[in-house]
Amino acid sequence: DGGITQSPKYLFRKEGQNVTLSCEQNLNHDAMYWYRQDPGQGLRLIYYSQIVNDFQKGDIAEGYSVSREKKESFPLTVTSAQKNPTAFYLCASTQEGHGYTFGSGTRLTVV
Amino acid sequence: ILNVEQSPQSLHVQEGDSTNFTCSFPSSNFYALHWYRWETAKSPEALFVMTLNGDEKKKGRISATLNTKEGYSYLYIKGSQPEDSATYLCALESAGGTSYGKLTFGQGTILTVHP
Repeated sequence: DGGITQSPKYLFRKEGQNVTLSCEQNLNHDAMYWYRQDPGQGLRLIYYSQIVNDFQKGDIAEGYSVSREKKESFPLTVTSAQKNPTAFYLCASTQEGHGYTFGSGTRLTVV
Repeated sequence: ILNVEQSPQSLHVQEGDSTNFTCSFPSSNFYALHWYRWETAKSPEALFVMTLNGDEKKKGRISATLNTKEGYSYLYIKGSQPEDSATYLCALESAGGTSYGKLTFGQGTILTVHP
C-alpha cells in the first residue's frame, strides 16, 4: 500500500546533538512537508519542498535543516541551534488533485 | 501568517448527542479549507476539502459547511459514537506562488464521546 513512513517513532537526543528524522513516501507525490506540534498548539510548518532539489522555509525553520535529493525522501535534521526541540514531528506529502497524506509522526525528546 | 482559530478546544459529549465545532479564519485569499480527523497514535485522516463559499460536504454522520465571506467553517457530527473520539483539525491551504499547497492549521478540537 502507498503511504508515508516516518522513523523512528520515538527518539531521544542529548542536548547539543544533531538528530535526523526520516520521512519516506512511495506515493510519487511532488510536494513534501514537515510540521511540528507542541501541546495546546496547532501544527506549525517547518520546511517544505515542492520539487526535488528545492525547498523553502516554513514559519518556524530556525534550528532545522532539510534536503530533497530524491523525490521519495525528505529528511529533517534538528540541529543543536534549535532551542526547544522536544516536540512531535509530522511529515506529509501531496500532489495536486490527490489530497494530503500524513505519516504517523516522530516524538523527539531532549534529555 | 494566516491565523486559524478552532473552538471549542475540547468537548465531552454523550453517545448519541449531535455536536458541532467551528473553524474561523481571516476572509483573505486562500485555495481551500481542509478538515482532518486525528486519532491518537494514528496519522491524520482527511475528511473534507472545500473551496467555494457555500460548499457543503457530507460523509456518513459527519458534514461540513464553508462560509468564505464571513470566514468560518462548521463541522457537524450527528449521533456521536465513541469511535468518533479524536482531535478534529481545520487547515487553510495557501494559494499561489511559492506558498502553493502549504497548510496552516488551527489548534484542533479534542472530542471525547462517552458511552
